[in-house]
Amino acid sequence: DTAVSQTPKYLVTQMGNDKSIKCEQNLGHDTMYWYKQDSKKFLKIMFSYNNKELIINETVPNRFSPKSPDKAHLNLHINSLELGDSAVYFCASSPFNLAAEAFFGQGTRLTVV
Amino acid sequence: KQEVTQIPAALSVPEGENLVLNCSFTDSAIYNLQWFRQDPGKGLTSLLLIQSSQREQTSGRLNASLDKSSGRSTLYIAASQPGDSATYLCAVTSVGTSYGKLTFGQGTILTVHP
Repeated sequence: DTAVSQTPKYLVTQMGNDKSIKCEQNLGHDTMYWYKQDSKKFLKIMFSYNNKELIINETVPNRFSPKSPDKAHLNLHINSLELGDSAVYFCASSPFNLAAEAFFGQGTRLTVV
Repeated sequence: KQEVTQIPAALSVPEGENLVLNCSFTDSAIYNLQWFRQDPGKGLTSLLLIQSSQREQTSGRLNASLDKSSGRSTLYIAASQPGDSATYLCAVTSVGTSYGKLTFGQGTILTVHP
């Protein structure tokens, strides 16, 4: 009964490929997020969706395209992968409330070779 | 622009010690502050959430305090155990930023040795 789940947990792929990471939450939250943790372990927000609508896009390259088929899912598609995309990607969710607690998935470690 | 700093970057203590992790933020206009724990190869586990109107929160051996005016929070861990070894992250939700956006510090790597 994992609250926020991501698949896959590990992803190794070659430069230039296109890949997707899936995220699902069963907490009934309205808002979902993608965060990126770089090699220095620094976490930074990429996107946020509220009830399937984009509300945050932190100047992420347009090779990254989030898709939210419903409010329980937020998938991340990455085109033309580059070496610099190697990182750990975390999905998170929270209620639609400015002071709400956020819950994170276990992360997807993406390695581009 | 909000910036969050955590000190120390790493801490190694013997089992049983009480310890304090520090978090500071540059803009005191926040909705809340959240402490997380990250284990190697695993996700972030939320430990404590302090709303801007609160001064502290407690959960078991953990106590987090918030001094919003000075832009500081501390996480106090009592009677540390080897199982407490992890990276501890603090993050704030700032007023006026994109909705629900968390700004993270770089974390404190804690090692508790037997």
